[in-house]
Amino acid sequence: AQSVTQLGSHVSVSEGALVLLRCNYSSSVPPYLFWYVQYPNQGLQLLLKYTTGATLVKGINGFEAEFKKSETSFHLTKPSAHMSDAAEYFCAVSRAYPGGGNKLTFGTGTQLKVEL
Amino acid sequence: GAVVSQHPSRVICKSGTSVKIECRSLDFQATTMFWYRQFPKQSLMLMATSNEGSKATYEQGVEKDKFLINHASLTLSTLTVTSAHPEDSSFYICSARSQAGVTTQYFGPGTRLTVL
Repeated sequence: AQSVTQLGSHVSVSEGALVLLRCNYSSSVPPYLFWYVQYPNQGLQLLLKYTTGATLVKGINGFEAEFKKSETSFHLTKPSAHMSDAAEYFCAVSRAYPGGGNKLTFGTGTQLKVEL
Repeated sequence: GAVVSQHPSRVICKSGTSVKIECRSLDFQATTMFWYRQFPKQSLMLMATSNEGSKATYEQGVEKDKFLINHASLTLSTLTVTSAHPEDSSFYICSARSQAGVTTQYFGPGTRLTVL
């Protein structure tokens, strides 16, 4: 079984400040980890993913995340928030299934608000 | 690349009618497509996994006779909500997995269904 916990359903930062969105996972096997962003009334856009290799993953729009196995975490960060970053962010975990499939389990999401 | 479209983006129907939602992968072949449901301010819940040319696999608690899924080609999957009722009103999102990139799902923009 696998699960994702996102601490903080709402996070508010000032424009230009550090963004930190927390994600902890539970998985019985080495996980694949993802961050998605969702703007109002739209689908999800992939920000970044970790599968294997380097634990610090860089994504689009200046976001990055670090896989920390010892802490079972995959927190999302961005050095300087922009107004356009205001959106809902979802952390997700999946694992490989025989035959190459994968199923995503999503966290409950974190609404990021960016203030002037 | 990796664009997934959904049609329609919004649909309003009367209670008791059926509604079909299309999900298309525009620039890649999708051997597997996934259908999710998202309630307001909540996370995505996987409804079913659809493999091209075979029957869909439904998650526990999802009525397969109510949510009919067809994946007749490598670029098209359809979800039909049969005899829709107001409680079926939701945001339905599909995603597709390409043959080459088994770890990543690409999401459509979603379909807002309102049942009166």
